[in-house]
Amino acid sequence: GAGVSQSPSNKVTEKGKDVELRCDPISGHTALYWYRQSLGQGLEFLIYFQGNSAPDKSGLPSDRFSAERTGGSVSTLTIQRTQQEDSAVYLCASSLSGEGDTQYFGPGTRLTVL
Amino acid sequence: GDSVTQMEGPVTLSEEAFLTINCTYTATGYPSLFWYVQYPGEGLQLLLKATKADDKGSNKGFEATYRKETTSFHLEKGSVQVSDSAVYFCALMYTGRRALTFGSGTRLQVQP
Repeated sequence: GAGVSQSPSNKVTEKGKDVELRCDPISGHTALYWYRQSLGQGLEFLIYFQGNSAPDKSGLPSDRFSAERTGGSVSTLTIQRTQQEDSAVYLCASSLSGEGDTQYFGPGTRLTVL
Repeated sequence: GDSVTQMEGPVTLSEEAFLTINCTYTATGYPSLFWYVQYPGEGLQLLLKATKADDKGSNKGFEATYRKETTSFHLEKGSVQVSDSAVYFCALMYTGRRALTFGSGTRLQVQP
């Protein structure tokens, strides 16, 4: 079946602009994760959604970052007033139920902030 | 806090050579341990995992054993192929926490 998909694959924006990154998880997966992969920080957890529970936002680096998940499926990560240090590859993953299940990753969105 | 340390890359080997990529972790309690692989132009894929001490994860000829006494989870393969060229990430996760903590990744280059 189809894997995790993300769009766009690449995004170039100017400093100060807002961006939205989209993730379509594997159908039937109730858990969804966002990670960030950058040269300086490696792979970092950002936020986790599980069903209808309140998300775990403990990895979000600042209040400029937010995410939502509509209808328990598609998720959007929003970065407001982008900064150059936000440049990174943003990875989305999903798993069947969250508790110890394998996380399946999408191809990522490469964000470049000029 | 929790952390994962991997050997620096790149690791360059000839085809059919033996591979070891070291991974050690610092954590309280007993996390599950993972190796993920990222092939060029592709997303992260789970390679293998182990959920408790002395467990051995294996897949595609790769193996790693969860060593509690040395807090290590070294990745090994007896005979690498050019197609194994990729970046390998060691990671840990606590039951109930769900977020993966990754190492910095090790690039493997296998030459024919």
